[in-house]
Amino acid sequence: EPEVTQTPSHQVTQMGQEVILRCVPISNHLYFYWYRQILGQKVEFLVSFYNNEISEKSEIFDDQFSVERPDGSNFTLKIRSTKLEDSAMYFCASSVDVNTEAFFGQGTRLTVV
Amino acid sequence: GDSVTQMEGPVTLSEEAFLTINCTYTATGYPSLFWYVQYPGEGLQLLLKATKADDKGSNKGFEATYRKETTSFHLEKGSVQVSDSAVYFCALTNSGGSNYKLTFGKGTLLTVNP
Repeated sequence: EPEVTQTPSHQVTQMGQEVILRCVPISNHLYFYWYRQILGQKVEFLVSFYNNEISEKSEIFDDQFSVERPDGSNFTLKIRSTKLEDSAMYFCASSVDVNTEAFFGQGTRLTVV
Repeated sequence: GDSVTQMEGPVTLSEEAFLTINCTYTATGYPSLFWYVQYPGEGLQLLLKATKADDKGSNKGFEATYRKETTSFHLEKGSVQVSDSAVYFCALTNSGGSNYKLTFGKGTLLTVNP
């Protein structure tokens, strides 16, 4: 069964460093998303991506964040100059269409120390 | 903007008890409604969905009916099992505007005891 895969599963980084979280969406999906979940709390939308550009982003997704689809399969989230409060589980998701279910990856746990 | 409000819990039940987790929404247009489940240490998995009014989504014994008149999508199961212990999230997507995202409720932690 096709699935969304994320790497790494756990990333520890020092405050101020840059991190790149990687995702491989399901191959025939056209919409890609990043969400985050802090300490098992509410899942928060960060950004959606379609046709090689950002469709929508939340107020959380400021200049510190960027997304890229560098090739036909990967979808990355870059966080520049990480802060302690960026520590969270980051989920990638993809969907065929805007109004269909999104399939989520297992997540990357980011710990900023 | 769109929003989802769900019973926050935690909810603790005995095995074979009846489960209801309430979910109501505010949205423009014609949202699609979803329930996602997060088992301990895992990612989010789609449990069920409904795309229009009066649709009933069902899966693994769980059911939810899209009620436009009450803007609700309550999750129910007649007899819960220990393996149903997880966090349950109600969510919506809305193609009525430029909303390309899932909007989640805060999640409800369910613990089922043997």
